[in-house]
Amino acid sequence: DQQVKQNSPSLSVQEGRISILNCDYTNSMFDYFLWYKKYPAEGPTFLISISSIKDKNEDGRFTVFLNKSAKHLSLHIVPSQPGDSAVYFCAASSPGYSTLTFGKGTMLLVSP
Amino acid sequence: DARVTQTPRHKVTEMGQEVTMRCQPILGHNTVFWYRQTMMQGLELLAYFRNRAPLDDSGMPKDRFSAEMPDATLATLKIQPSEPRDSAVYFCASGLDKADTQYFGPGTRLTVL
Repeated sequence: DQQVKQNSPSLSVQEGRISILNCDYTNSMFDYFLWYKKYPAEGPTFLISISSIKDKNEDGRFTVFLNKSAKHLSLHIVPSQPGDSAVYFCAASSPGYSTLTFGKGTMLLVSP
Repeated sequence: DARVTQTPRHKVTEMGQEVTMRCQPILGHNTVFWYRQTMMQGLELLAYFRNRAPLDDSGMPKDRFSAEMPDATLATLKIQPSEPRDSAVYFCASGLDKADTQYFGPGTRLTVL
């Protein structure tokens, strides 16, 4: 049973528009959430994170929103650029645990 | 520029052969993780070490997979015997305990024929 779900396998967006990637989780013990970005033939790289005590975290063009009651988080990229085309993984961890539980990823394609 | 390194980057082998994948974590990191990425399952955690001690290998098929850390600069993942269903990309990641952020290597793409 997947505890972290990314229900959209892919997303296509035009350059300059907003990209919204979604993630749902089922484990109410999760208190820390991360987004990783992965290019082909490379390992995932950390992008942005959010603690459960916050509902928003912003870093440049990237903003993560957390809705704890809905067990939902989203990553907004504004404006989207062709270099943002990659697979985005949502991940979560529980207090006291060093392990991360990952979703299956969403492939984002930003076209010029 | 501190990075996690993995060797080999690609491995093609025949069913039944032994496969060994190696990982050098970032110097100073005390946690090491092995993941497998497949289309069906996404990123699955196979094993996790803290200070070289295995803490969780519940994601690993015990009959054929083994993970070790001979020293702080080397982690290995072995498959013996390998099977076609083991074909996947295997990632190593390292981090600092309780820091949550993990740093991934480039992966080993394994193909078992």
